[in-house]
Amino acid sequence: AQSVTQPDIHITVSEGASLELRCNYSYGATPYLFWYVQSPGQGLQLLLKYFSGDTLVQGIKGFEAEFKRSQSSFNLRKPSVHWSDAAEYFCAVADYKLSFGAGTTVTVRA
Amino acid sequence: EAGVTQFPSHSVIEKGQTVTLRCDPISGHDNLYWYRRVMGKEIKFLLHFVKESKQDESGMPNNRFLAERTGGTYSTLKVQPAELEDSGVYFCASSQDVTRPRAETQYFGPGTRLLVL
Repeated sequence: AQSVTQPDIHITVSEGASLELRCNYSYGATPYLFWYVQSPGQGLQLLLKYFSGDTLVQGIKGFEAEFKRSQSSFNLRKPSVHWSDAAEYFCAVADYKLSFGAGTTVTVRA
Repeated sequence: EAGVTQFPSHSVIEKGQTVTLRCDPISGHDNLYWYRRVMGKEIKFLLHFVKESKQDESGMPNNRFLAERTGGTYSTLKVQPAELEDSGVYFCASSQDVTRPRAETQYFGPGTRLLVL
């Protein structure tokens, strides 16, 4: 069965600092991987997705993620965090339905 | 283009009452999904429609939950009678292509926050 683990429940980062959110997946075949973000009062918004090809995927809002099959990981990164990046981030793997991790809440301090 | 909309945004009901949640997917999207997030837990899949047909309802918790999708357009999720453990956020999502649903981006609505007292 497919599953996703996000080891970090909460991360606090200073504005302008870099951010990395961890995601580990379990899936028998080639995974279809997604990162979504939920800002307060909003729905889930897709940041980026990986199906195949280049293992470094660029997304919206300056985010990128790297697929590493050997580590079963799909970590999300941003070089310089803005206060508006404070939100909850979800990694998910697709088997037409999405299986989500527990989410990582990011707090940005000034 | 309008996104996925859900109504109501919040609902507070008492145990034993009935609640109906509505989802309007993006126009032209044949795939419609319901998910739920109970407080402190992961977002979990409930069911999947392709047009008006239920493709997978393996995530529905029990027979107190009934989902419909009239004419392949909007969908409703009814909980009758509601129990305390039904509290959570109910998300609806839609995607366009039924031929390769794994690869399709699912677009989410803002969710309905249900509180059962």
